Amino acid sequence: DGGITQSPKYLFRKEGQNVTLSCEQNLNHDAMYWYRQDPGQGLRLIYYSQIVNDFQKGDIAEGYSVSREKKESFPLTVTSAQKNPTAFYLCASKISGTGLYEQYFGPGTRLTVT
Amino acid sequence: DQQVKQNSPSLSVQEGRISILNCDYTNSMFDYFLWYKKYPAEGPTFLISISSIKDKNEDGRFTVFLNKSAKHLSLHIVPSQPGDSAVYFCAASKIIQGAQKLVFGQGTRLTINP
Repeated sequence: DGGITQSPKYLFRKEGQNVTLSCEQNLNHDAMYWYRQDPGQGLRLIYYSQIVNDFQKGDIAEGYSVSREKKESFPLTVTSAQKNPTAFYLCASKISGTGLYEQYFGPGTRLTVT
Repeated sequence: DQQVKQNSPSLSVQEGRISILNCDYTNSMFDYFLWYKKYPAEGPTFLISISSIKDKNEDGRFTVFLNKSAKHLSLHIVPSQPGDSAVYFCAASKIIQGAQKLVFGQGTRLTINP
């Protein structure tokens, strides 16, 4: 089955530690995205990547880093510089091409930092 | 600057009746609009979309209406079913330097009562 996987589903970390969230897709999509969702808020874009070895900052990139070494994988590192890291993190992907707008989402990772 | 707004945090509708979810936007550069449905602790799933050059798109029980002059779109669900209970996000698409970005509203929690 084609889809997007994010692991783990729940993640707990101590303050001051970096943590990496996994995102893998087998949809052969070129573009990949990371969002965070906080209670009562919409999804906010952290980073996105249109092709391998290239990525761009989204609206709230501070305290986060990404890499895109393979088409299928787009891991997100939440660094200790992120002031409010506790949130629900969502990865998405999209096929490239004009007239194609839907982004497909993974199941999400809930990160709790104490 | 909230470019996409869903002003109703919650909506309660009786089973079988019509559910109407609303969304307003401020940026005239948005070229496509999407609705996503989200269950707790899961990723959003795509529901229906509409191009900015159309004013209506229908898919089964779901219809999206776009009023460009008012910068307003709405999602109609009829008849509403218990399985429709979820959080609904509207999203607006824009192209920035060749990359598609989605801007999400805050979401509306829809509850369908039996």
